[in-house]
Amino acid sequence: DGGITQSPKYLFRKEGQNVTLSCEQNLNHDAMYWYRQDPGQGLRLIYYSQIVNDFQKGDIAEGYSVSREKKESFPLTVTSAQKNPTAFYLCASSLQVQETQYFGPGTRLLVL
Amino acid sequence: GIQVEQSPPDLILQEGANSTLRCNFSDSVNNLQWFHQNPWGQLINLFYIPSGTKQNGRLSATTVATERYSLLYISSSQTTDSGVYFCAVHSNFGNEKLTFGTGTRLTIIP
Repeated sequence: DGGITQSPKYLFRKEGQNVTLSCEQNLNHDAMYWYRQDPGQGLRLIYYSQIVNDFQKGDIAEGYSVSREKKESFPLTVTSAQKNPTAFYLCASSLQVQETQYFGPGTRLLVL
Repeated sequence: GIQVEQSPPDLILQEGANSTLRCNFSDSVNNLQWFHQNPWGQLINLFYIPSGTKQNGRLSATTVATERYSLLYISSSQTTDSGVYFCAVHSNFGNEKLTFGTGTRLTIIP
């Protein structure tokens, strides 16, 4: 089946710990994105990547880092510098930027 | 940056009713998408509709780009239509970011 997968579904982080969220797509899309959603809110862009080995900051990049070493993979690391990481994280991809975006099922991150 | 407002913020309807959700945006756009977020958080594409009208079963959407708004129509609502509906836009002005509205929460009562 073609699509976008995210893992894990739930993730718990201790204070001062870095955690990495996985996003994989087999749609052969060039562009990939990470969004954060807080309860009752819309989505805000963290980072996006137009092509392999390239990525750009979104609106709320502080405390996050990404890499794009392979076309199908765009992992997000939530660093200890992110002081309020509890949120729902959604990954998306599109054939190219400004085309239709398709979303994965999301990862819920909770801080212990 | 571009502002996206959705109305109403909440809507509660009886099963079988029709509804209209509105999305206003503050600047010209070259892409507009409607999404449905189900109770488990999954975002489902409904329409890619920068202008004109599209229909898919009980759902249809119209975007009037010159007047900076889009409407999503849901006819004969079912309980599975419950969830949050988002519109999202790409601005015309070289911005590659998709900007989301704050959503309309739709609850369909049996």
